[in-house]
Amino acid sequence: EVQLVESGGGLVQPGGSLRLSCAASGFTFSSYWMHWVRQAPGKGLVWVSRINSDGSTTDYADSVKGRFTISRDTAKNTVYLQMNSLRAEDTAVYYCAKCVSTGWYYFDYWGQGTLVTVSS
Amino acid sequence: SSELTQDPAVSVALGQTVRITCQGDSLRNYYASWYQQKPGQAPVLVFYGKNNRPSGIPDRFSGSSSGNTVSLTITGAQAEDEADYYCNSRDSSAHHVIFGGGTKLTVL
Repeated sequence: EVQLVESGGGLVQPGGSLRLSCAASGFTFSSYWMHWVRQAPGKGLVWVSRINSDGSTTDYADSVKGRFTISRDTAKNTVYLQMNSLRAEDTAVYYCAKCVSTGWYYFDYWGQGTLVTVSS
Repeated sequence: SSELTQDPAVSVALGQTVRITCQGDSLRNYYASWYQQKPGQAPVLVFYGKNNRPSGIPDRFSGSSSGNTVSLTITGAQAEDEADYYCNSRDSSAHHVIFGGGTKLTVL
């Protein structure tokens, strides 16, 4: 059974940092791109970042580029999102998602999400 | 960067058919995927590509594509289909991923 379990969310002051983790199990982690998607309270889904299967390629939404860093540890089957210089508008539930990109492109599994609140 | 546009809200009578649409330039080059999200829950994939429904998704969910528009059709909507629905695609650069703003489906 595929499982994605996010952790690391919490309350942080503006300008602060947090590192989110997403522990994966039930599939060959090293074979898949992994993504982070966020959802502000009462708002829609917004793509944040992605990392390829071996960690050599990363992409970011313009709104987080230069502040967030995605990485992965194959030995731990975990993907991370290091978030620096946090702003109030980064407040959201952050989901990690497993991406299938062979032929079609879609997210077949999602974690339950972890809430990040940026507030003083 | 590209955008995907969805109607904010749609309603359907119980047992009737409803179509949820998504428009965007990137859809001329890339197929979309569709996600259902119920309150307090993570999104769930309900349709992807040209004609693909994940295991466990009822066959009342179907999809279509034409030009810059993709559609998710629910034939015989059920009360449990009431949810937010999001379309998703790569953007035109293929380096980013984009979501539509979401459509809130109400089953009357």
